[in-house]
Amino acid sequence: DIVMTQSPFSLAVSEGEMVTINCKSSQSLLSSGNQKNYLAWYQQKPGQSPKLLIYYASTRQSGVPDRFIGSGSGTDFTLTISDVQAEDLADYYCLQHYSYPLTFGSGTKLEIK
Amino acid sequence: QVQLKESGPGLVQPSQTLSLTCTVSGFSLTSYSVHWVRQHSGKSLEWMGRMWSDGDTSYNSAFTSRLSISRDTSKSQVFLKMNSLQTEDTGTYYCARNLGGRFDYWGQGVMVTVSS
Repeated sequence: DIVMTQSPFSLAVSEGEMVTINCKSSQSLLSSGNQKNYLAWYQQKPGQSPKLLIYYASTRQSGVPDRFIGSGSGTDFTLTISDVQAEDLADYYCLQHYSYPLTFGSGTKLEIK
Repeated sequence: QVQLKESGPGLVQPSQTLSLTCTVSGFSLTSYSVHWVRQHSGKSLEWMGRMWSDGDTSYNSAFTSRLSISRDTSKSQVFLKMNSLQTEDTGTYYCARNLGGRFDYWGQGVMVTVSS
């Protein structure tokens, strides 16, 4: 199974600041066939189900604000949230969808100061 | 629009069987796969298994032979059955539509407590 190591566990920032969340996979998520990285990012607000933010490591899902930016390739990936808003208070998870069983990172809790 | 909704008992006794239903709308089960994902309270997400669009299934080996997923396409429903429940199976169970490996739509989740 591919292990997803996510960091940090939690972070607290003020509105308007930028945050980065990291995800490292135990093996490459880059497909040699189409050169896509099979890594997605999810946002889960309190009491809600997860919401897809980014897929293929850097493609923003329709309707997601452009302050959410995904980057990285191979085994190292980053979710950057620029100009953090109060509504971004949530847990964030990475998901590898390169191979089964699909596996998630342990999550990052974002708090707003 | 695309919707998924889980239903089932909120309380299950230890050693008993959990039966959940995922009712979907806005898409066809013969065009998309539907997966089940579990989340322990305050913890991360765990992929359980999937129902392919062609009716095939696959499961996370962590659940070995305890888990079974089936469907009724005429009712747009996908079913999860898991036996020999233990307290550690307490959590929220989600069904989600899968597109190209990623989950693009999720149900609201159903909270299941395993307790006597």
